[in-house]
Amino acid sequence: DIQLTQSPSFLSASIGDRVTITCRASQDISSYLAWYQQKSGKGPNLLIYGASTLHSGVPSRFSGSGSGTEFTLTISSLQPEDFATYYCQQLNRYPITFGQGTRLDIK
Amino acid sequence: VQLLESGGGFVQPGGSLRLSCAASGFTFSTNYMTWVRQAPGKGLEWVSAIGGGNSATYYADSLKGRFTISRDNSKNTLYLQMNSLRAEDTAVYYCAKGFITNAYYGEDYWGQGTLVTVSS
Repeated sequence: DIQLTQSPSFLSASIGDRVTITCRASQDISSYLAWYQQKSGKGPNLLIYGASTLHSGVPSRFSGSGSGTEFTLTISSLQPEDFATYYCQQLNRYPITFGQGTRLDIK
Repeated sequence: VQLLESGGGFVQPGGSLRLSCAASGFTFSTNYMTWVRQAPGKGLEWVSAIGGGNSATYYADSLKGRFTISRDNSKNTLYLQMNSLRAEDTAVYYCAKGFITNAYYGEDYWGQGTLVTVSS
């Protein structure tokens, strides 16, 4: 199975900060990576697909980059509604796998 | 788009449950559908998926043989039959719609989840 490792697992930041979350894959997954945001008690929301394409309706402060085995999710200027848990997901090969998550808390 | 899961509940180890996901607002029959679970306080775990047209099925390696995904396109409903349940199957189970353009890019709509608790 393809393992995805996110770093950091926990992140504390302030409103207006720029933050970056990294997702590393155990093997080459090309650009078949998605990023999700999940708030407590809710299903996840798709933010980025194809490693770098912003999903419809997602604010432009979110961006994704990378290919192969290393990927990043960047939030350019944190807003109050961005404090949540973020997951990466690989879609290159079955079984589909998720990273362990990055919890983003307000400082 | 709406996805409404049901069928969760409390079950003893070794028991069975069938989850349902009623879909509306899109052409269910042609869409790839997925089950993802989340144990209490833990991360997301992909469980199973089923294709639209040919209904090919896919499973997490650890679940093969115990869980079966299926769909009834006449009822716009997705199912997950879970047998030989274990304590580690305790989780919120989400139904999700696959996002496919020229490739499979993830899940773009999710239900609210249904809680399965396996305990004696």
